[in-house]
Amino acid sequence: EAQVTQNPRYLITVTGKKLTVTCSQNMNHEYMSWYRQDPGLGLRQIYYSMNVEVTDKGDVPEGYKVSRKEKRNFPLILESPSPNQTSLYFCASSLRKNTEAFFGQGTRLTVV
Amino acid sequence: GQNIDQPTEMTATEGAIVQINCTYQTSGFNGLFWYQQHAGEAPTFLSYNVLDGLEEKGRFSSFLSRSKGYSYLLLKELQMKDSASYLCAVTPYGNNRLAFGKGNQVVVIP
Repeated sequence: EAQVTQNPRYLITVTGKKLTVTCSQNMNHEYMSWYRQDPGLGLRQIYYSMNVEVTDKGDVPEGYKVSRKEKRNFPLILESPSPNQTSLYFCASSLRKNTEAFFGQGTRLTVV
Repeated sequence: GQNIDQPTEMTATEGAIVQINCTYQTSGFNGLFWYQQHAGEAPTFLSYNVLDGLEEKGRFSSFLSRSKGYSYLLLKELQMKDSASYLCAVTPYGNNRLAFGKGNQVVVIP
């Protein structure tokens, strides 16, 4: 089954404790991205990747890192999480930049 | 920039027709996406308009006018399961980012 898988689905952590949210797709898609969704602000792109080893900042990259060592995986790293990073996070992949995006199930992160 | 505006919420009756608007301020883009998002779930793809005009797909139709900076999504024969947020998104020329509007919440009532 074609899908985008994110883990974990829910996470509560403390300020400053490094964490990684994993994202994996099995559709051989080139374009992958991370979004955060906050009430009243909609979906905002954090980082995106056009292909392996090619990543770039989205609209709200501060406090986040990503890597794309393999085509299928695109982890989101928070080196020192802060409470303002409490949000609902979505990973998405698409064949290319301007094609239908498939989203993961979402990760609800709370930083206390 | 690519400011994208969507009205926030509307209520409609089962069986009715509802139009969800999306206006944007961008110098140019490849195409405009519409996604549906049920509460607590991931967005799912509905349509992608590249050319001006109306594209129909079952009960859902999407319209684009580049010259007017305007798109709409038309939902016909509304069903309770259509209660969701509807998001429009564009990738501006010369930019690899995908920018979403804040979404329009549609509530379908019996």
